[in-house]
Amino acid sequence: KQEVTQIPAALSVPEGENLVLNCSFTDSAIYNLQWFRQDPGKGLTSLLLIQSSQREQTSGRLNASLDKSSGRSTLYIAASQPGDSATYLCAVNSGGSNYKLTFGKGTLLTVNP
Amino acid sequence: KAGVTQTPRYLIKTRGQQVTLSCSPISGHRSVSWYQQTPGQGLQFLFEYFSETQRNKGNFPGRFSGRQFSNSRSEMNVSTLELGDSALYLCASRLGITDTQYFGPGTRLTVL
Repeated sequence: KQEVTQIPAALSVPEGENLVLNCSFTDSAIYNLQWFRQDPGKGLTSLLLIQSSQREQTSGRLNASLDKSSGRSTLYIAASQPGDSATYLCAVNSGGSNYKLTFGKGTLLTVNP
Repeated sequence: KAGVTQTPRYLIKTRGQQVTLSCSPISGHRSVSWYQQTPGQGLQFLFEYFSETQRNKGNFPGRFSGRQFSNSRSEMNVSTLELGDSALYLCASRLGITDTQYFGPGTRLTVL
């Protein structure tokens, strides 16, 4: 059974700081991994999708890496801004007969002006 | 292109009632998944439909059911509501199994 863990559970940083969010998963047989952002009471916004054959993906100030063999992914946010404050969720697509995303509990990020 | 839409956005029901939630996927997407989000359990997978067939089901009781129509729109039904069913119910759609999953804004269900 796939399990996804995100560390830290919460993170508070000053504006402008670079930061890293961590995600680990127990079963390396994945199709892809997706990072989402969720604002309070809202749905999920997709940030980055990394296929199992890829090592990293970049979008603007965001960079996500994937090390499938060790079951780890990181989301790097450069030059953080107060608008980045949200909960960041990592989700693993295990594929095969299990067409579903398994989510971590998320990291609550607060960027202070 | 319109995103995933969910109706209604908010619902208040009492224990024992039943409820139906609706989801319209992004145009062209035939896969629709449903998730339950609670503060304690986080996001949990309910089920996925593809071309009107349920492909996978999460570990939820039979009170939770769903269906998908020929136009890919999906409905989720919860019968005999319990207090613990209070949650944000999220619907997501995607084009293919390895593609990005896009989520709707969710339906906030409160059971009194």
